[in-house]
Amino acid sequence: GAGVSQTPSNKVTEKGKYVELRCDPISGHTALYWYRQSLGQGPEFLIYFQGTGAADDSGLPNDRFFAVRPEGSVSTLKIQRTERGDSAVYLCASSTYRQNEQFFGPGTRLTVL
Amino acid sequence: ILNVEQSPQSLHVQEGDSTNFTCSFPSSNFYALHWYRWETAKSPEALFVMTLNGDEKKKGRISATLNTKEGYSYLYIKGSQPEDSATYLCAFLGSYIPTFGRGTSLIVHP
Repeated sequence: GAGVSQTPSNKVTEKGKYVELRCDPISGHTALYWYRQSLGQGPEFLIYFQGTGAADDSGLPNDRFFAVRPEGSVSTLKIQRTERGDSAVYLCASSTYRQNEQFFGPGTRLTVL
Repeated sequence: ILNVEQSPQSLHVQEGDSTNFTCSFPSSNFYALHWYRWETAKSPEALFVMTLNGDEKKKGRISATLNTKEGYSYLYIKGSQPEDSATYLCAFLGSYIPTFGRGTSLIVHP
């Protein structure tokens, strides 16, 4: 079956612009996570959804970052007024239940110039 | 901030060598430990989900052990092959939020 997909695969933007990153989880997976991975680091937790609601957004670095999952499936990570420090690979993962193994998408590489 | 450490940071071995690496994590509030393999240009792929102290899991030539009381897990690869080259990540779950280590980068030379 289809795995987790993320679009776009690459995004280059200018400082100060707004970007949206999309995640399509595996059908039926209720848990969805967003991570950010910088060079030389492991994935860093950003936000966790259980169904439609953000169960934990404690990893979002500041109020420029926001994520939604309105119908409990597709999720969008939104970054306002992008900064060069936002450049990273943004990973999405889904699972059947929050502590079970996670299925990752291929990531979106964001570059802020 | 939870401290999840992986060692070594990188490892070069010859084809056929057996190897192992370590994931250290807090010994309190343990719920689960995940191991993932992340090949270049691909998505991280789950290898093992470990939940019980003393767990040993095996998938082909790869196995893992878990000691929750002292806070470590070992990943072993027997008879390494070039296709085993990847970054191996561990993730500690004290709740439902995984904390990942930085990974061990394994390169297997033919």
